[in-house]
Amino acid sequence: GNSVTQMEGPVTLSEEAFLTINCTYTATGYPSLFWYVQYPGEGLQLLLKATKADDKGSNKGFEATYRKETTSFHLEKGSVQVSDSAVYFCALSEGAQKLVFGQGTRLTINP
Amino acid sequence: DAGVIQSPRHEVTEMGQEVTLRCKPISGHDYLFWYRQTMMRGLELLIYFNNNVPIDDSGMPEDRFSAKMPNASFSTLKIQPSEPRDSAVYFCASSSSGTGWTDTQYFGPGTRLTVL
Repeated sequence: GNSVTQMEGPVTLSEEAFLTINCTYTATGYPSLFWYVQYPGEGLQLLLKATKADDKGSNKGFEATYRKETTSFHLEKGSVQVSDSAVYFCALSEGAQKLVFGQGTRLTINP
Repeated sequence: DAGVIQSPRHEVTEMGQEVTLRCKPISGHDYLFWYRQTMMRGLELLIYFNNNVPIDDSGMPEDRFSAKMPNASFSTLKIQPSEPRDSAVYFCASSSSGTGWTDTQYFGPGTRLTVL
């Protein structure tokens, strides 16, 4: 079946550091890919998405490119802030609106 | 729009009691999802509905769990009887198969359930 694998956390960085959170997927067909973010005490929010190969999703300084050849959708940000501390989930769509989520990566940014 | 609304936000109950969690999806959305989140198991899809009809309940852990969607603006997740291992944060999410950002799910703030 379809699945998503994220790099294990937790990840701890200093403010203004470069961020990469790896995400790879296994899927039949051509799913849409997503990154969701969960801030403490809140539900998940869509951060960005890409619907086809080579698409780049971007939002709030975060970017991810849909790489069909490597089945990856790595999340990057050039300069992180303390306010980026959260749990990040990679996900793919299975069709019929259903999403398959990775296990989540906890990110902590120190000032 | 107010977003997905869940109630209560926190629930503390004793083992054996019935628990009912409530969700109001975003108006116009035709899909509704119930998830459970724990440290050990992460985010699990329990059940989802399309146009108020349950489509896939394979994630419901056992017969103690049941979910209903009597109309397009309301859904419940019931646990009867509750057990300490049911302690988790339960999220409701909704999405639209219409135009725009299809496949995107919008999550509620969650209900934190503690079963003593």
